[in-house]
Amino acid sequence: QLQLQESGPGLVKPSETLSLTCTVSGGSISSSSYYWDWIRQPPGKGLEWIGSIYYSGSTYYNPSLKSRVTISVDTSKNQFSLKLSSVTAADTAVYYCARQVDYGAELDYWGQGTLVTVSS
Amino acid sequence: QSALTQPPSASGSPGQSVTIFCTGTSSDVGGYKYVSWYQQHPGKAPKLMIYEVSKRPSGVPDRFSGSKSGNTASLTVSGLQAEDEADYYCNSYAGSNNLVFGGGTKLTVL
Repeated sequence: QLQLQESGPGLVKPSETLSLTCTVSGGSISSSSYYWDWIRQPPGKGLEWIGSIYYSGSTYYNPSLKSRVTISVDTSKNQFSLKLSSVTAADTAVYYCARQVDYGAELDYWGQGTLVTVSS
Repeated sequence: QSALTQPPSASGSPGQSVTIFCTGTSSDVGGYKYVSWYQQHPGKAPKLMIYEVSKRPSGVPDRFSGSKSGNTASLTVSGLQAEDEADYYCNSYAGSNNLVFGGGTKLTVL
C-alpha cells in the first residue's frame, strides 16, 4: 500500500523559506505513470494546488505561487520536496503531498498533512 | 487560474439524495474530462471519491456518482448516510499540467 509522509518544521518566521519533504513508501517515485504534488489548506479554508513534479524533474506550478515555489525530487531517497520563499502569515496552512495520476489528473493517494505556521 | 465555484453548503436528510455543483470555465471543467471529487472529514486528509468526471475508485460506494454538462460538474450522493457529512471539493485539470480546486461544499446530513 502506497504511503506518503510529510516532514519539516512546523514553525517558520516571516520572510524566510518554508521547506517540506514528502517521503514515499510502498511504491517508486520513479514510475512514469504519476506526478507528485503539493497542496495546501489554510485553517478553516479550502484546498489550493501548489504544484507538481515528474520523476524526471519536470515541474509545474500554480501561476499565483510560481515566483516563490520550488519543487524538487530525489529519486534515490524516494522523496520530493517543497520550498516556498518569502513566507507571510497568509502561508500558514496544512500542507499535503499527494500522488497525481498521469492520465486523469486525479490525486489518488495523500499524506496526512503537516501544519506549518508562519509567525515570529 | 481562478478557483472553481461551489456552493458553501448543502444538506439533506438520511436516505435522501443531494447534488453538489462545481462551475468552471471552458479552460478547465468544460475543456477536459478530468474532473475529480474529494471528501474531507474534519482533521483528515482528502479522499478521492470520483475521477474522470464519473468514475469511482475501488471501495467508494456506488451511492456517489458524478457527471458534467458544459462548464459545470456535479457530484450526487444518493441514500444519504450520517457518515457522508463532510466537506467536498471538486478539482479539474486546467491545461499545461495545472490543476484547480473548487472552494469546497460543507455537506450536512440533517
